[in-house]
Amino acid sequence: QKEVEQNSGPLSVPEGAIASLNCTYSDRGSQSFFWYRQYSGKSPELIMSIYSNGDKEDGRFTAQLNKASQYVSLLIRDSQPSDSATYLCAVEPLGAAGNKLTFGGGTRVLVKP
Amino acid sequence: GAVVSQHPSRVICKSGTSVKIECRSLDFQATTMFWYRQFPKKSLMLMATSNEGSKATYEQGVEKDKFLINHASLTLSTLTVTSAHPEDSSFYICSARLGAGAVSADTQYFGPGTRLTVL
Repeated sequence: QKEVEQNSGPLSVPEGAIASLNCTYSDRGSQSFFWYRQYSGKSPELIMSIYSNGDKEDGRFTAQLNKASQYVSLLIRDSQPSDSATYLCAVEPLGAAGNKLTFGGGTRVLVKP
Repeated sequence: GAVVSQHPSRVICKSGTSVKIECRSLDFQATTMFWYRQFPKKSLMLMATSNEGSKATYEQGVEKDKFLINHASLTLSTLTVTSAHPEDSSFYICSARLGAGAVSADTQYFGPGTRLTVL
């Protein structure tokens, strides 16, 4: 079983709609959670981090964390064609050797004009 | 802030040669840097964790004698692919952590990546 799981997609959303991405993780003691965006042929760029249960908003992005259910989600409001990319969920397990992050396989999002 | 650079961005080399890739944290000191490899349409694969002043920690299955990592200073880590072969062709990406004491110390910031093609 993968430690961090994401639906590979593609998740197709019309322009202006809300894109909802989910991520589940297996290590219940995980404390740090990250969402990265990766355009084709480019390296990942940080969207946001979240550490506490609940919602965290940054512009059109909202991260939601539920440690009891072991999932973290990302909402993209007013989706734009420029949001078309692969979104990577990353988790730092408790006591991770070398402070490594565990990445999910990514969800490809396609925003259609 | 938290900018990471990589050099070169793209390299083409002949089979059997060695290639060095540099990763620099431009506006912060990074006690820990990470090296990843990514094949087309695949997810990131962590190769090794590089700590300033000590030996790198390699992931299972990664040959330490083939992928030499040196973290000589708090702002520079290098990855040398020795005796490169076509199967080593990939996208190599480094990342750096801000380190203990910093806000968001556990966040990894990625460099732009180096695309290696071995002929």
